[in-house]
Amino acid sequence: AQSVTQLGSHVSVSEGALVLLRCNYSSSVPPYLFWYVQYPNQGLQLLLKYTTGATLVKGINGFEAEFKKSETSFHLTKPSAHMSDAAEYFCAVNPNNAGNMLTFGGGTRLMVKP
Amino acid sequence: DTGVSQDPRHKITKRGQNVTFRCDPISEHNRLYWYRQTLGQGPEFLTYFQNEAQLEKSRLLSDRFSAERPKGSFSTLEIQRTEQGDSAMYLCASFSGKTSATDTQYFGPGTRLTVL
Repeated sequence: AQSVTQLGSHVSVSEGALVLLRCNYSSSVPPYLFWYVQYPNQGLQLLLKYTTGATLVKGINGFEAEFKKSETSFHLTKPSAHMSDAAEYFCAVNPNNAGNMLTFGGGTRLMVKP
Repeated sequence: DTGVSQDPRHKITKRGQNVTFRCDPISEHNRLYWYRQTLGQGPEFLTYFQNEAQLEKSRLLSDRFSAERPKGSFSTLEIQRTEQGDSAMYLCASFSGKTSATDTQYFGPGTRLTVL
C-alpha cells in the first residue's frame, strides 16, 4: 500500500520569498510522483511529475521538485513566490500498478503575503 | 483536445434525492477515473473504467453509488438517496493509458455537490 504525507496544511510566505512545500511518501515499489495545484472551485492542474531519470524535475510556473529515494521525499520548491501562486497544492503517488490510481496527500494551502 | 469537462459544476439537493453527474473525457483516452474530494482533504479514488469496463471500485463507493461508461466515451456517476455525508467535490480524470503509468491524469473542473 502507498501513502502520501504533506507536512503543513497551511504555509504562508511573503511575495518574493522561497516556497517550500513538503511531501513524503511510502510505497512498496518505486513510485511515480506528481504535484498538482488547485485554484478555488477548480479542478487539479499538473505542475510536474517524476517518473524515471533525472531526480530534479522542473515544472510549470517556475516550480521544481527533487525526488530523494533515501528520504522518501518529493518536496516542491520555487525560488520566488508570486501572489498568483496562492492556491492548494497536492502531492500524489502512482504506484505503477494495473490500475494506476493516484493516492493524494491531504494538501497544503499556500498563502502569499504582499 | 478540449480537456475534460464535467456537468453540472454545482448541484444542491435535498437529502434522499438522487443525483447524476456527467464526465466527458479527452477524446480517445481509454481510461476514466472518478475521485471524491471533501472539504480540506485531498482527492480519494472512487472507481475507474478502461473503455466501457469498470475495473475497480473503492470501498468508499457504497451501494448507493453507481457509475457507468456505456460506450467507452462519457461517464455518469449516480448517487441514490443522497446523505449529507455525500457533500463533496466529485472529480473526473482522463488518462490515455496507452503507453505507461507515466502518462498524466488530466482532471476536469469537478462537480460540487451540496446535500441539505
